[in-house]
Amino acid sequence: AQSVTQPDIHITVSEGASLELRCNYSYGATPYLFWYVQSPGQGLQLLLKYFSGDTLVQGIKGFEAEFKRSQSSFNLRKPSVHWSDAAEYFCAVGNTGTASKLTFGTGTRLQVTL
Amino acid sequence: EAGVAQSPRYKIIEKRQSVAFWCNPISGHATLYWYQQILGQGPKLLIQFQNNGVVDDSQLPKDRFSAERLKGVDSTLKIQPAKLEDSAVYLCASSLDWGRTDTQYFGPGTRLTVL
Repeated sequence: AQSVTQPDIHITVSEGASLELRCNYSYGATPYLFWYVQSPGQGLQLLLKYFSGDTLVQGIKGFEAEFKRSQSSFNLRKPSVHWSDAAEYFCAVGNTGTASKLTFGTGTRLQVTL
Repeated sequence: EAGVAQSPRYKIIEKRQSVAFWCNPISGHATLYWYQQILGQGPKLLIQFQNNGVVDDSQLPKDRFSAERLKGVDSTLKIQPAKLEDSAVYLCASSLDWGRTDTQYFGPGTRLTVL
């Protein structure tokens, strides 16, 4: 069965600093990978997704992620963080069958200091 | 385009009571999902509908949870009777179809507190 590990529960960065959130997955074949963001009291919003092709994926709000098969990783990055980026970030992997079932990691809470 | 709507946004009940949550997906979306998100964890899929049929309910505690999507549009998730461990945010999501590449769009969720 597929699984996702987000090793960092909580990360604090200064506004304007760069950001990298880690995600490791376990999956038998080429995975379908997603990053979602959840602001307080809000539902999850898709930041970006990887299905195939270019391993560097661009998303909304200036985020990008890189798929590294050799490391089973799909880390999320942003070159300069804004205070409004403070939220919880979830990495997810699509399931093994044809249906669109997602398995989520436990999330990383991002705090941004001014 | 309107997003996924859920109600109520908050609910507090005593254990052993029953509760129901409502979800209206994005118009035209055939697939609807209910997730349970316990504090400190990622969302966990409870049930997935394709139109009005169930695709996956393997993680739904069927002794107390039930869900329906009678006309293939809106859906109701019910818990009867509730337990303390059911305290969580219940998220509804929808997608255009049920393929692996279909993006799921999430509603704001219903926060349930069981006392």
